[in-house]
Amino acid sequence: EDKVVQSPLSLVVHEGDTVTLNCSYEVTNFRSLLWYKQEKKAPTFLFMLTSSGIEKKSGRLSSILDKKELSSILNITATQTGDSAIYLCAVMNSGYSTLTFGKGTMLLVSP
Amino acid sequence: DAMVIQNPRYQVTQFGKPVTLSCSQTLNHNVMYWYQQKSSQAPKLLFHYYDKDFNNEADTPDNFQSRRPNTSFCFLDIRSPGLGDAAMYLCATSRELGVSNYGYTFGSGTRLTVV
Repeated sequence: EDKVVQSPLSLVVHEGDTVTLNCSYEVTNFRSLLWYKQEKKAPTFLFMLTSSGIEKKSGRLSSILDKKELSSILNITATQTGDSAIYLCAVMNSGYSTLTFGKGTMLLVSP
Repeated sequence: DAMVIQNPRYQVTQFGKPVTLSCSQTLNHNVMYWYQQKSSQAPKLLFHYYDKDFNNEADTPDNFQSRRPNTSFCFLDIRSPGLGDAAMYLCATSRELGVSNYGYTFGSGTRLTVV
């Protein structure tokens, strides 16, 4: 059974801080890892990672995959209150082709 | 502009009273998924349709059923809701099994309360 573990489960930071969220996985025939941001509604897509060591970047957010360590990190620099959300990590295996999610990291950015 | 639409956003149902949640999409995607997300838990896949082919997860209770009458619509039927079925239900779509560069497209979810 595929498994995704995220840490920390929750995190409180001050505006302007930099945060690093972690995701580790066990999956048969890994295909890709995805990060989503979930506010009080649907998860919205952030990144998809398939290759180890290649950083994906979007504004203040960046993410990288380490296939050797079976993990990924999501970095947010210069955090803003609008970054407060649950960040979900999900993995897909090449066989079943559906996503398995972690429990998420709840991030709260205080002004 | 909404592409995956779930109705209603909030649903209150009585213990044991059948309830149906709906999902529609304007993306013409082949695959539609239903996830259950309880408080502080990971979204859990219940089932998915590839076109008209229904795929049930092994641990999805029999109490949960689904219908996909056409490409655009997919329904989640809970035959006899229990208190433990209170959750956010997320519908998602993808063009094919697996993901494109943009992952799944999610609806806004329906939050189900059972009283």
